[in-house]
Amino acid sequence: QQPVQSPQAVILREGEDAVINCSSSKALYSVHWYRQKHGEAPVFLMILLKGGEQKGHDKISASFNEKKQQSSLYLTASQLSYSGTYFCGTYNNDMRFGAGTRLTVKP
Amino acid sequence: DGGITQSPKYLFRKEGQNVTLSCEQNLNHDAMYWYRQDPGQGLRLIYYSQIVNDFQKGDIAEGYSVSREKKESFPLTVTSAQKNPTAFYLCASSMAQLSNQPQHFGDGTRLSIL
Repeated sequence: QQPVQSPQAVILREGEDAVINCSSSKALYSVHWYRQKHGEAPVFLMILLKGGEQKGHDKISASFNEKKQQSSLYLTASQLSYSGTYFCGTYNNDMRFGAGTRLTVKP
Repeated sequence: DGGITQSPKYLFRKEGQNVTLSCEQNLNHDAMYWYRQDPGQGLRLIYYSQIVNDFQKGDIAEGYSVSREKKESFPLTVTSAQKNPTAFYLCASSMAQLSNQPQHFGDGTRLSIL
């Protein structure tokens, strides 16, 4: 079963913050986050493992609540380069990806 | 540089024709995957392979076939039984099919019907 992502799309001005959510109906071992620019391959951002950890690099971070089977991706002080579609991948016995959240950052 | 190479970048299929999409990796990864991407539907798993000479169906395997004769290669055949093959196809690999292993993606093949 695919995880559910929200929102489907978001438009920001440079410097604004955004949160993308990912939820699953199954117990999860990990959550993966990827970003895809139009017509390109998805690029790995980070993995959050079972244990309720929070990770981040630069101004992009994420949390994983294993009890709620949810993860959130936080984009702080967004830059133009953050534009793209963000996918969460949830791992139970195998990986399933959400439908994606299209993020557009405008000047 | 290590990576995943998919070819061709664009492919056109005639009615009733089988076509094969190539995927090669030099990352020495054991696990390989094929995904189909349609607008608004994210990545849907077609087939995956954890080891040479073994593969499993994903969520949308009907109309597709794969082989894994070599560790570095995982070709996907879109058969004539797949009635709606127009999509963006992505191949990925990971060190193993484990929860803590990121997937590395190729640049994709865009398949269209003539």
